[in-house]
Amino acid sequence: DIQMTQSPSTLSASVGDRVVITCRASQSVSPWLAWYQQKPGKAPNLLIYKASTLENGVPSRFSGSDSGTEFTLTISSLQPDDLATYYCQQYEDYPRTFGQGTKVEIK
Amino acid sequence: QVQLVQSGAEVMKPGASVKVPCKISGYPFTANYINWVRQAPGLGLEWMGWINPKTGSTNSAQKFQGRVTMTRDTAISTVYMELRALTSDDTAIYYCVRESDEIGFFDLWGRGTLVTVSS
Repeated sequence: DIQMTQSPSTLSASVGDRVVITCRASQSVSPWLAWYQQKPGKAPNLLIYKASTLENGVPSRFSGSDSGTEFTLTISSLQPDDLATYYCQQYEDYPRTFGQGTKVEIK
Repeated sequence: QVQLVQSGAEVMKPGASVKVPCKISGYPFTANYINWVRQAPGLGLEWMGWINPKTGSTNSAQKFQGRVTMTRDTAISTVYMELRALTSDDTAIYYCVRESDEIGFFDLWGRGTLVTVSS
């Protein structure tokens, strides 16, 4: 199985800060990577697919990038509504696998 | 309204089976694969498998093979995930999720069904 490792596990930032979350794959999955946002008590919601394509309706402060086995999710200016846990997911191969999640807290 | 409708919660005994429904609403039932993803309390996301609502074909993670069955009822636009021989490790929220037309990622999630396994 392809292992997905996210870092950090938790981060705390202030409103307006630039936030970067990293996801590493145990083998190449490029560009077949998606990012999801899960707010407390809710189901996950798709943010980005194919490493850098923004899903319709997702604010433009979210962006994704790809360097082969390392992917990043960037929030350019953190907003209070961004309090959530973020997951990456590879769809290069079965079984589909997710990172362990990155919890974003607002200072 | 485009949505995947799931029931709220089930409480099951160890060793029992649970059958979780997911009703497709607001788009053609046969248009997209439906996957199942579960989330144990406070933990991450785990992919279980998919069903093709058009043909009924399925694919499941090796971890669940032999213990999970995914079926569909086209008359009522509903897919089901049945998990057998439940243990406390199966306590989780079970989400049905729509696979995108582009294949591989999930663009619509149900609210989830909490399955609690307890004696």
